[in-house]
Amino acid sequence: AQSVTQPDIHITVSEGASLELRCNYSYGATPYLFWYVQSPGQGLQLLLKYFSGDTLVQGIKGFEAEFKRSQSSFNLRKPSVHWSDAAEYFCAVGAGYGNKLVFGAGTILRVKS
Amino acid sequence: SQTIHQWPATLVQPVGSPLSLECTVEGTSNPNLYWYRQAAGRGLQLLFYSVGIGQISSEVPQNLSASRPQDRQFILSSKKLLLSDSGFYLCAIQGRRLNTEAFFGQGTRLTVV
Repeated sequence: AQSVTQPDIHITVSEGASLELRCNYSYGATPYLFWYVQSPGQGLQLLLKYFSGDTLVQGIKGFEAEFKRSQSSFNLRKPSVHWSDAAEYFCAVGAGYGNKLVFGAGTILRVKS
Repeated sequence: SQTIHQWPATLVQPVGSPLSLECTVEGTSNPNLYWYRQAAGRGLQLLFYSVGIGQISSEVPQNLSASRPQDRQFILSSKKLLLSDSGFYLCAIQGRRLNTEAFFGQGTRLTVV
């Protein structure tokens, strides 16, 4: 069965510092991978997605993610974090019939000034 | 562009009372529809999904049910709420193409007291 692991529940970074959020997936076929962001009390917004092709994908708000098949990873990165990036981030994998998405448990990002 | 309407935004209900949460979609037809729940400090759990009118798949056994009476209407219900039904409920849509991204509504915060 498909699964997604986000090993970090909380991460705190200083404003202006770089960021990397980890995501590992388990899926038998070629994965379709997503990163979403959720501000408190809000729905989820898509940051970026990977379907095929270039393993480094660019998203909105200056985020990027790199797909590494050998490591079953899809880590999210940003070179310089802004205070407005504080939110919860979810990694997800597309899971076959019904287009269901399987989500990780999320990583809460705190940004300190 | 597609729009997802969820209401109410916030709901406080006593234990044992019924529940009806509604999700309607604009700007698309024949979508896949989903209900997710977020419990405090946990990730997203897929509750139900629907690939067409009257077609409901349940992901986990629970005190809830779902219906899709119209193509762009998805309803989450309960006859008698439990304390454990508290959480943040999110409606989502996806296109028919395999492994497209999901778009989320703004959610309903349900507190069962």
